[in-house]
Amino acid sequence: GAVVSQHPSWVICKSGTSVKIECRSLDFQATTMFWYRQFPKQSLMLMATSNEGSKATYEQGVEKDKFLINHASLTLSTLTVTSAHPEDSSFYICSAKPGTLNEQFFGPGTRLTVL
Amino acid sequence: QKEVEQNSGPLSVPEGAIASLNCTYSDRGSQSFFWYRQYSGKSPELIMSIYSNGDKEDGRFTAQLNKASQYVSLLIRDSQPSDSATYLCAVTTGRRALTFGSGTRLQVQP
Repeated sequence: GAVVSQHPSWVICKSGTSVKIECRSLDFQATTMFWYRQFPKQSLMLMATSNEGSKATYEQGVEKDKFLINHASLTLSTLTVTSAHPEDSSFYICSAKPGTLNEQFFGPGTRLTVL
Repeated sequence: QKEVEQNSGPLSVPEGAIASLNCTYSDRGSQSFFWYRQYSGKSPELIMSIYSNGDKEDGRFTAQLNKASQYVSLLIRDSQPSDSATYLCAVTTGRRALTFGSGTRLQVQP
């Protein structure tokens, strides 16, 4: 149980384009999903918290107009990186939290490379 | 002061030995504590959760919690080369997202 998937697992795009990443909880309903970013040899950085049916809460320094998050259902959240630039190249990881538990379960991550 | 502190390592232990990983946290309101394992290039994997003072054992892993000292540890018995990874300590008050430490890199030497 507690499986989280992400799609795509990797993506290469040109500077200025937008990229959408999907995060799905496969066998549980996730009232809350989280989006993290991790640069090489650094720790996880929380970008935003999304609750189903409401606006995401962004961490300080994360541009909400650049990183669009939608949590349309209890099993799906999406992160869209708009007008991507090379500095946005990173490992993006989502996690999902079942409603009654404090554990978070991570997706396998999406490696984004912006040329 | 960082909210969750871990020694970055690397912590090097011989195969078969006990690896001891430590973590301290600053928020006394923290109620839930987790250990994640992250292999290079992969996402974190939950290996232990602990909520009350004392020890919790699961196979070769033992988590220890001391809320008075704001200290959490993870012991790995009979360490194997496949245990070589970065171990992340995470805490939460339950009302916020998990706060992660920067991780301790463990190297198990064959």
